[in-house]
Amino acid sequence: NAGVTQTPKFRILKIGQSMTLQCAQDMNHNYMYWYRQDPGMGLKLIYYSVGAGITDKGEVPNGYNVSRSTTEDFPLRLELAAPSQTSVYFCASNRQNSGYTFGSGTRLTVV
Amino acid sequence: AQTVTQSQPEMSVQEAETVTLSCTYDTSESDYYLFWYKQPPSRQMILVIRQEAYKQQNATENRFSVNFQKAAKSFSLKISDSQLGDAAMYFCAYRSAGWNSGGSNYKLTFGKGTLLTVNP
Repeated sequence: NAGVTQTPKFRILKIGQSMTLQCAQDMNHNYMYWYRQDPGMGLKLIYYSVGAGITDKGEVPNGYNVSRSTTEDFPLRLELAAPSQTSVYFCASNRQNSGYTFGSGTRLTVV
Repeated sequence: AQTVTQSQPEMSVQEAETVTLSCTYDTSESDYYLFWYKQPPSRQMILVIRQEAYKQQNATENRFSVNFQKAAKSFSLKISDSQLGDAAMYFCAYRSAGWNSGGSNYKLTFGKGTLLTVNP
């Protein structure tokens, strides 16, 4: 089925480790986003991209990096994982005036 | 910056009854979109309903309807004939309708959510 695919679904990291959360969409959407969801909170924007080669910071970018080499893929990189990065991460995409399609989320625990 | 407030952390409703979830927002813009998203235990974010600010008519999707009060900056969700499958976290979200070259207007701003329990 077409949509947004996130991998992995679950991951446990040790403090100081690094990892990349993968996100891919097959709907030819220009806009892609990474959000994090902490317990009892709504989603907060980490980074977004308006097209291949263009990315920008959202509300909570510290500790993360992104790249957008293709329209389809928008990976999120965590360098030097910290307990504060324990969260559920959502990738989403849309076209200019269309609704959002969300991935199923990645639950990350940093211990 | 826009803010979205959901003042009800938790709500409960009896099966087949009606429940209303509240949402208020703050913005200086005149053109925008408002959304309600449902997040069941599976974590998937599911769009329930969408409202364009320039439309005076309230959006409706089957058992779900909104009461959009633009002057009061209020956007409540009414669920009629509640079903067990409606139990979930519900998020209200705001998005600008204007365009800017950076594309930041297309991001969603979320409230903290309301956890809805449906009692059989």
